[in-house]
Amino acid sequence: GQQLNQSPQSMFIQEGEDVSMNCTSSSIFNTWLWYKQDPGEGPVLLIALYKAGELTSNGRLTAQFGITRKDSFLNISASIPSDVGIYFCAGATGTASKLTFGTGTRLQVTL
Amino acid sequence: DTAVSQTPKYLVTQMGNDKSIKCEQNLGHDTMYWYKQDSKKFLKIMFSYNNKELIINETVPNRFSPKSPDKAHLNLHINSLELGDSAVYFCASSQDPGGYEQYFGPGTRLTVT
Repeated sequence: GQQLNQSPQSMFIQEGEDVSMNCTSSSIFNTWLWYKQDPGEGPVLLIALYKAGELTSNGRLTAQFGITRKDSFLNISASIPSDVGIYFCAGATGTASKLTFGTGTRLQVTL
Repeated sequence: DTAVSQTPKYLVTQMGNDKSIKCEQNLGHDTMYWYKQDSKKFLKIMFSYNNKELIINETVPNRFSPKSPDKAHLNLHINSLELGDSAVYFCASSQDPGGYEQYFGPGTRLTVT
Protein backbone atom coordinates (compact mmCIF):
# COMPACT_ATOMS: atom_id res chain seq x y z
CA GLY A 1 0.00 0.00 0.00
CA GLN A 2 0.92 3.63 -0.34
CA GLN A 3 3.19 5.07 2.29
CA LEU A 4 4.22 8.62 2.99
CA ASN A 5 7.92 9.23 3.55
CA GLN A 6 8.93 11.41 6.44
CA SER A 7 12.32 12.93 7.07
CA PRO A 8 14.31 12.93 9.09
CA GLN A 9 13.60 9.49 10.49
CA SER A 10 14.86 10.66 13.87
CA MET A 11 16.42 13.74 15.35
CA PHE A 12 18.15 14.71 18.55
CA ILE A 13 18.01 18.37 19.48
CA GLN A 14 18.67 20.56 22.46
CA GLU A 15 15.95 22.25 24.40
CA GLY A 16 15.18 25.63 22.93
CA GLU A 17 16.09 24.71 19.36
CA ASP A 18 13.67 24.91 16.45
CA VAL A 19 12.71 21.73 14.61
CA SER A 20 11.69 21.13 11.01
CA MET A 21 10.39 17.93 9.49
CA ASN A 22 8.66 17.06 6.27
CA CYS A 23 6.46 14.51 4.62
CA THR A 24 6.43 13.64 0.94
CA SER A 25 4.22 11.54 -1.29
CA SER A 26 4.19 10.36 -4.88
CA SER A 27 0.45 11.08 -4.99
CA ILE A 28 -1.67 14.16 -4.44
CA PHE A 29 -3.62 14.54 -1.22
CA ASN A 30 -6.49 16.94 -0.53
CA THR A 31 -5.96 17.01 3.21
CA TRP A 32 -2.87 16.78 5.35
CA LEU A 33 -2.77 16.18 9.09
CA TRP A 34 -0.04 16.02 11.69
CA TYR A 35 -0.22 13.78 14.74
CA LYS A 36 2.05 13.23 17.74
CA GLN A 37 2.38 9.92 19.54
CA ASP A 38 3.79 9.63 23.05
CA PRO A 39 5.15 6.27 24.24
CA GLY A 40 2.34 3.87 25.13
CA GLU A 41 -0.35 6.24 23.89
CA GLY A 42 -2.42 6.78 20.78
CA PRO A 43 -1.67 9.50 18.21
CA VAL A 44 -2.98 12.94 19.09
CA LEU A 45 -4.07 15.36 16.36
CA LEU A 46 -1.93 18.50 16.23
CA ILE A 47 -2.87 20.33 13.05
CA ALA A 48 -5.16 19.76 10.06
CA LEU A 49 -4.60 21.41 6.66
CA TYR A 50 -7.26 21.57 3.97
CA LYS A 51 -5.96 23.87 1.25
CA ALA A 52 -2.81 23.86 -0.88
CA GLY A 53 -0.40 26.51 0.37
CA GLU A 54 -2.20 26.81 3.70
CA LEU A 55 -0.06 27.70 6.71
CA THR A 56 -1.59 26.88 10.11
CA SER A 57 -0.24 27.32 13.63
CA ASN A 58 -1.07 25.67 16.93
CA GLY A 59 1.00 27.29 19.67
CA ARG A 60 4.66 26.63 18.92
CA LEU A 61 3.75 24.34 16.03
CA THR A 62 3.35 25.52 12.44
CA ALA A 63 2.42 23.29 9.54
CA GLN A 64 2.18 23.94 5.82
CA PHE A 65 0.27 22.22 3.02
CA GLY A 66 2.65 22.07 0.06
CA ILE A 67 1.68 23.83 -3.16
CA THR A 68 2.10 20.64 -5.18
CA ARG A 69 -0.24 18.82 -2.75
CA LYS A 70 2.40 16.10 -2.52
CA ASP A 71 4.10 17.31 0.63
CA SER A 72 3.65 18.94 3.99
CA PHE A 73 5.97 20.45 6.58
CA LEU A 74 5.90 20.79 10.35
CA ASN A 75 7.98 23.23 12.37
CA ILE A 76 8.30 23.34 16.14
CA SER A 77 9.79 26.45 17.65
CA ALA A 78 11.70 26.64 20.93
CA SER A 79 11.46 22.93 21.68
CA ILE A 80 10.83 21.73 25.23
CA PRO A 81 11.26 18.27 26.79
CA SER A 82 7.57 17.39 26.42
CA ASP A 83 7.93 17.67 22.62
CA VAL A 84 9.60 14.25 22.73
CA GLY A 85 7.65 11.66 20.76
CA ILE A 86 6.96 10.39 17.27
CA TYR A 87 5.41 12.82 14.79
CA PHE A 88 3.29 11.38 12.01
CA CYS A 89 1.94 13.05 8.93
CA ALA A 90 -1.23 11.69 7.35
CA GLY A 91 -2.83 12.37 4.01
CA ALA A 92 -6.36 11.92 2.74
CA THR A 93 -7.80 12.05 -0.76
CA GLY A 94 -11.45 12.54 -0.04
CA THR A 95 -12.74 8.99 -0.01
CA ALA A 96 -14.52 7.81 3.09
CA SER A 97 -12.05 9.46 5.47
CA LYS A 98 -9.26 7.00 4.73
CA LEU A 99 -5.96 8.30 6.13
CA THR A 100 -2.57 7.21 4.85
CA PHE A 101 0.08 7.66 7.51
CA GLY A 102 3.74 8.55 7.15
CA THR A 103 6.70 6.59 8.44
CA GLY A 104 7.13 8.92 11.42
CA THR A 105 9.85 11.22 12.76
CA ARG A 106 11.12 10.41 16.21
CA LEU A 107 12.10 13.52 18.16
CA GLN A 108 14.39 13.47 21.17
CA VAL A 109 15.04 16.64 23.17
CA THR A 110 18.04 16.96 25.44
CA LEU A 111 18.35 19.44 28.25
CA ASP B 1 -13.66 11.49 30.84
CA THR B 2 -11.71 9.57 28.21
CA ALA B 3 -12.96 10.37 24.70
CA VAL B 4 -11.98 7.09 23.02
CA SER B 5 -11.34 4.14 25.30
CA GLN B 6 -10.16 0.61 24.58
CA THR B 7 -10.01 -2.55 26.62
CA PRO B 8 -7.85 -4.33 27.38
CA LYS B 9 -4.65 -2.25 27.32
CA TYR B 10 -2.52 -5.39 27.08
CA LEU B 11 -3.46 -8.80 25.72
CA VAL B 12 -1.14 -11.80 25.75
CA THR B 13 -2.43 -15.01 24.24
CA GLN B 14 -1.35 -18.16 22.46
CA MET B 15 -1.52 -18.96 18.76
CA GLY B 16 -4.85 -20.36 17.67
CA ASN B 17 -6.90 -18.60 20.33
CA ASP B 18 -9.80 -16.22 19.66
CA LYS B 19 -9.80 -12.80 21.32
CA SER B 20 -11.75 -9.55 21.27
CA ILE B 21 -10.81 -5.92 21.79
CA LYS B 22 -13.48 -3.41 22.76
CA CYS B 23 -13.70 0.25 21.86
CA GLU B 24 -16.05 2.98 22.99
CA GLN B 25 -16.20 6.68 22.17
CA ASN B 26 -18.18 9.33 24.03
CA LEU B 27 -17.63 12.12 21.49
CA GLY B 28 -20.90 11.58 19.69
CA HIS B 29 -19.01 10.78 16.48
CA ASP B 30 -20.63 8.83 13.66
CA THR B 31 -17.55 7.07 12.29
CA MET B 32 -15.14 4.68 14.02
CA TYR B 33 -11.98 2.96 12.85
CA TRP B 34 -9.51 0.22 13.67
CA TYR B 35 -5.81 0.70 12.91
CA LYS B 36 -2.86 -1.65 13.28
CA GLN B 37 0.59 -0.34 14.27
CA ASP B 38 3.44 -2.73 13.63
CA SER B 39 6.81 -2.98 15.38
CA LYS B 40 8.24 -0.29 13.09
CA LYS B 41 5.45 2.08 14.22
CA PHE B 42 3.76 2.04 10.83
CA LEU B 43 0.05 2.80 11.18
CA LYS B 44 -2.38 1.24 8.74
CA ILE B 45 -6.14 1.39 8.64
CA MET B 46 -8.00 -1.89 8.88
CA PHE B 47 -11.70 -1.03 9.07
CA SER B 48 -14.05 1.93 9.20
CA TYR B 49 -17.69 1.97 10.28
CA ASN B 50 -20.17 4.80 9.85
CA ASN B 51 -23.28 4.56 11.96
CA LYS B 52 -22.86 0.80 12.32
CA GLU B 53 -22.20 0.26 8.59
CA LEU B 54 -18.87 -0.97 7.22
CA ILE B 55 -17.37 1.61 4.83
CA ILE B 56 -13.67 0.65 4.68
CA ASN B 57 -12.23 -2.85 4.71
CA GLU B 58 -8.55 -2.82 3.84
CA THR B 59 -7.88 -6.38 2.69
CA VAL B 60 -7.68 -7.63 6.23
CA PRO B 61 -7.78 -11.43 6.70
CA ASN B 62 -11.22 -12.88 7.36
CA ARG B 63 -10.01 -13.88 10.82
CA PHE B 64 -10.56 -10.25 11.78
CA SER B 65 -14.19 -9.30 12.20
CA PRO B 66 -15.33 -5.89 13.43
CA LYS B 67 -18.69 -5.55 15.12
CA SER B 68 -20.55 -2.33 15.82
CA PRO B 69 -23.51 -2.80 18.18
CA ASP B 70 -24.18 0.96 18.10
CA LYS B 71 -22.41 4.01 16.76
CA ALA B 72 -20.52 4.55 20.02
CA HIS B 73 -18.93 1.10 20.02
CA LEU B 74 -16.72 -0.78 17.59
CA ASN B 75 -15.27 -4.08 18.72
CA LEU B 76 -12.64 -6.17 17.00
CA HIS B 77 -12.79 -9.94 17.15
CA ILE B 78 -9.82 -11.99 15.98
CA ASN B 79 -10.07 -15.73 15.33
CA SER B 80 -7.24 -18.24 15.21
CA LEU B 81 -4.57 -15.79 16.27
CA GLU B 82 -1.19 -15.97 14.52
CA LEU B 83 2.24 -14.74 15.54
CA GLY B 84 2.05 -12.01 12.88
CA ASP B 85 -1.00 -10.54 14.55
CA SER B 86 1.20 -9.22 17.35
CA ALA B 87 0.95 -5.42 17.15
CA VAL B 88 -0.70 -2.46 18.77
CA TYR B 89 -4.29 -1.96 17.70
CA PHE B 90 -5.83 1.49 17.85
CA CYS B 91 -9.43 2.47 17.72
CA ALA B 92 -10.31 5.96 16.46
CA SER B 93 -13.39 8.04 15.70
CA SER B 94 -14.34 11.07 13.63
CA GLN B 95 -17.41 13.24 13.26
CA ASP B 96 -18.58 11.81 9.93
CA PRO B 97 -17.21 9.82 6.99
CA GLY B 98 -15.59 12.92 5.53
CA GLY B 99 -14.10 13.91 8.85
CA TYR B 100 -10.39 13.40 8.57
CA GLU B 101 -9.76 14.70 12.06
CA GLN B 102 -9.64 11.36 13.78
CA TYR B 103 -9.28 10.89 17.52
CA PHE B 104 -7.41 7.84 18.71
CA GLY B 105 -7.75 5.59 21.72
CA PRO B 106 -4.78 4.58 23.89
CA GLY B 107 -4.19 1.35 22.01
CA THR B 108 -4.21 -2.37 22.83
CA ARG B 109 -0.88 -4.17 22.70
CA LEU B 110 -1.55 -7.70 21.47
CA THR B 111 1.19 -10.28 21.91
CA VAL B 112 0.71 -13.71 20.39
CA THR B 113 3.05 -16.42 21.66
